[in-house]
Amino acid sequence: EVRLVESGGALVQPGESLRLSCVASGFIFSNYGMNWVRQAPGKGLEWVSYIRNDANLIKYRDSVQGRFTISRDNTKNSLYLHMNSLRVEDTALYYCVRSIGAIDYWGQGSLVTVSS
Amino acid sequence: DIVMTQSPDSLAVSLGERATINCKSSQSVFSSSDSKDSLAWYQQRPGQPPKLLIHWASTRQSGVPDRFSGSGSGTDFTLTISSLQAEDVAVYYCQQYYNMPRTFGQGTKVEIK
Repeated sequence: EVRLVESGGALVQPGESLRLSCVASGFIFSNYGMNWVRQAPGKGLEWVSYIRNDANLIKYRDSVQGRFTISRDNTKNSLYLHMNSLRVEDTALYYCVRSIGAIDYWGQGSLVTVSS
Repeated sequence: DIVMTQSPDSLAVSLGERATINCKSSQSVFSSSDSKDSLAWYQQRPGQPPKLLIHWASTRQSGVPDRFSGSGSGTDFTLTISSLQAEDVAVYYCQQYYNMPRTFGQGTKVEIK
């Protein structure tokens, strides 16, 4: 069974940093591209970042470019999202997701709240 | 960025009746390398993460009931629920994976009439 379990979400102040983690199981992690997708409270889905299976291709949405860093450790079946200079508008539930083109598996999400 | 626009924003359908959701992309999402449209549909039930229903515009994901079907090509796509069940109450999203950034429609809320 494929499982994606996120952790690291917290309440932080604007300008602070946070690292999200995602541990994958039930599949060969090093074979798949991975992403972070977020959902603000009561809002729709927003893709944040992508990392290829070998980590040699990385993409970000414009609003997080230069502030967020996606990474992975295939030896630990883990995906990460380092978030710096957090803004109020980054408040959301962050999902770790596997993609095969489309997104075929989603974690339960980790809540990041940015508020003063 | 490719803009995905869904219609309607919400709809109420009687149990057993058909529900139809439309999705329009601001440019074609047809992948010539795959010879398929890079369009997916997701279902998000209250309090749950989204679930993949359809990919490549019309390919049902394993385990998805056959009352769900996808159609369309190029820039215009449709998700049809042929006979609405109570467990289908959810928000439905389309998404293009033709290029980056991946983009989603705004969502369509389906309720029981």
